[in-house]
Order: sequence, then C-alpha cells, then structure tokens
Amino acid sequence: DTGVSQDPRHKITKRGQNVTFRCDPISEHNRLYWYRQTLGQGPEFLTYFQNEAQLEKSRLLSDRFSAERPKGSFSTLEIQRTEQGDSAMYLCASSLAEGFGSGTRLTVV
Amino acid sequence: KQEVTQIPAALSVPEGENLVLNCSFTDSAIYNLQWFRQDPGKGLTSLLLIQSSQREQTSGRLNASLDKSSGRSTLYIAASQPGDSATYLCARLTSGTYKYIFGTGTRLKVLA
Repeated sequence: DTGVSQDPRHKITKRGQNVTFRCDPISEHNRLYWYRQTLGQGPEFLTYFQNEAQLEKSRLLSDRFSAERPKGSFSTLEIQRTEQGDSAMYLCASSLAEGFGSGTRLTVV
Repeated sequence: KQEVTQIPAALSVPEGENLVLNCSFTDSAIYNLQWFRQDPGKGLTSLLLIQSSQREQTSGRLNASLDKSSGRSTLYIAASQPGDSATYLCARLTSGTYKYIFGTGTRLKVLA
C-alpha cells in the first residue's frame, strides 16, 4: 500500500459523457501529480499541484480536462465530453514520486 | 525534445538468469533517474533512485547505474525469479523541473 488512493478503479463511459476521478495523496504531501498512461506506453505528465495551486499543465491537457485541489488535500480530474482517445489509465502521484496510486482505468465506448 | 528510450521493449528469460535492462535519455541536465516496477493494471512502485552525483545504487538483487555523459542507465537484475515478471520503467528528472519523463518500459517475463 503506497498510501495514495484513487477512485474509481475502473470507469466505463459512453462517448460524450463527463467523468470525474479522485485522488487522495499521502497526507501532508504538498505536491500532487496526474499522469496518463496508454497501453504499452510509459506515464505521461498531465499536471501538478503545489498545495491548492496548479503550477504546470501539459499540452496534453486539452480544454476538456480540468483538475482541482481545492483544499490542498485530495484532487479531482474531470474530463468533459469524453472521446475514445481519452481511454487510458489515469495515475496520481504523491509528491514527485513518493507514491503512485493504482490508477483509474477509463474506457470510453 | 526530452526523450527517454528503453530497450528491449520485451524480454523473456528462464528463471535464474542475470539480466540487464537499458534506459537512454537525451538530456544531460539530469537531476536524478528512477527505476520503477509496474504490475499489470497497477500503479508504479519505486525500485531505485540515482542522484546525478551518484553512479549506482543497489537494493537486494537489483543494481542500477547512471552514466550522464553517455545518457544511459542500466538496471541489473541478478538471479531472476518468476516474481520479477512485470514492466520496468525508467524516468528522469531534469534539473529545474518538477516532473518525471518516463520511458516506454520493458516488459519482463521470467519463466519458471
């Protein structure tokens, strides 16, 4: 157990629907990262937070994606109007790489 | 472009063999390099972290080396076991940044 939890573990959604994922990092860790991993590839950086401030966003994060960390603890990642290309594993990491969650696997049908 | 390449993409070996996984990167301004293990459908587990000032790190049967001048890192696994079967990822952190860049991984299968 890395101490990082992600919910849900799996999500199947129809194209065009909105989905939201949650990450609870190791408590008192200031930084929280979101990565996306497609089959056969390594994780790709999406965004990271220092406390509640979102400090960097990848160009992979289109305007359909939004992430929040309102109180500097848990974070949510929302994808609006999902597309089949959004199908991937979404991983959350506490601090730089202190602990990774088990991920949320999104399948868009 | 800052890239991380891992060779081979997949490897299958009989139990007991010693093996080497390779990782190469294009950016010499590396702060540290980390090796991870990923089991199917799971998150990442950190194995070894090598700071830019270090040349190698060891943990049990694992040894990782770093050669910044050639842009290479290797992960050596001694006396492989079926439980070592997983995907191994290397990731580098560039000085002045706060995110890891990952390689595509090596899928290892150790046959009993």
